[in-house]
Amino acid sequence: DIHMTQSPSSLSASVGDRVTITCRASQSISNYLNWYQQKPGKAPKLLIYTASSLQSGVPSTFSGSGSGTDFTLTISNLQPEDYATYYCQHSYSPPYSFGQGTKLEIK
Amino acid sequence: QVQLQESGPGLVKPSETLSLTCTVSGGSISSYYWNWIRQPPGKGLEWIGYIFYSGSTKYNPSLKSRVSISLDKSENQFSLKLSSVTAEDTAVYYCASRGYNYGFFEYWGQGTLVTVSS
Repeated sequence: DIHMTQSPSSLSASVGDRVTITCRASQSISNYLNWYQQKPGKAPKLLIYTASSLQSGVPSTFSGSGSGTDFTLTISNLQPEDYATYYCQHSYSPPYSFGQGTKLEIK
Repeated sequence: QVQLQESGPGLVKPSETLSLTCTVSGGSISSYYWNWIRQPPGKGLEWIGYIFYSGSTKYNPSLKSRVSISLDKSENQFSLKLSSVTAEDTAVYYCASRGYNYGFFEYWGQGTLVTVSS
């Protein structure tokens, strides 16, 4: 099974900042990597699929990159609504797995 | 726009079977892989398994011996059964759709909390 590791587990940043979250896969997953945003009490929301494709309706302040085993999610110009927990997920082959999450908090 | 809605008991006794149903609207049940994903309180996400329109299934090996996912095409619903539950199965259970390609979960239900307790 493929294991996903995110870093950091938590992050404090200010409105207007640029932040980067990293996700590493235990083996190569090509570009089968997706990112989700989850706010308290809500279902996760798809942000980025296949490592760098922006889901429809998601602001262009979100971007993703990477391939193989190392991936990043970058949020530029942080807005108050961006404070949430972010998860990566591989879709290379079942069983699909998620990273442990990165909680983005207001500094 | 596909919409998903979970339903089922919010409380299940230890050793019994957890049963949930997801109702699909706004889209064809033949167009996606239908998944169950869970999240224990305060923890991360765990993929449970999926069923395809053809009836083929795939389960997480960590739960495989206890999980069954079925499909009711006439009702546009799919269901989860998890047997021999313990307190560790307490979680918010989500149903979600996965397209043919790339395996991302595009549409999600709102989630339903299932507590395992006597």
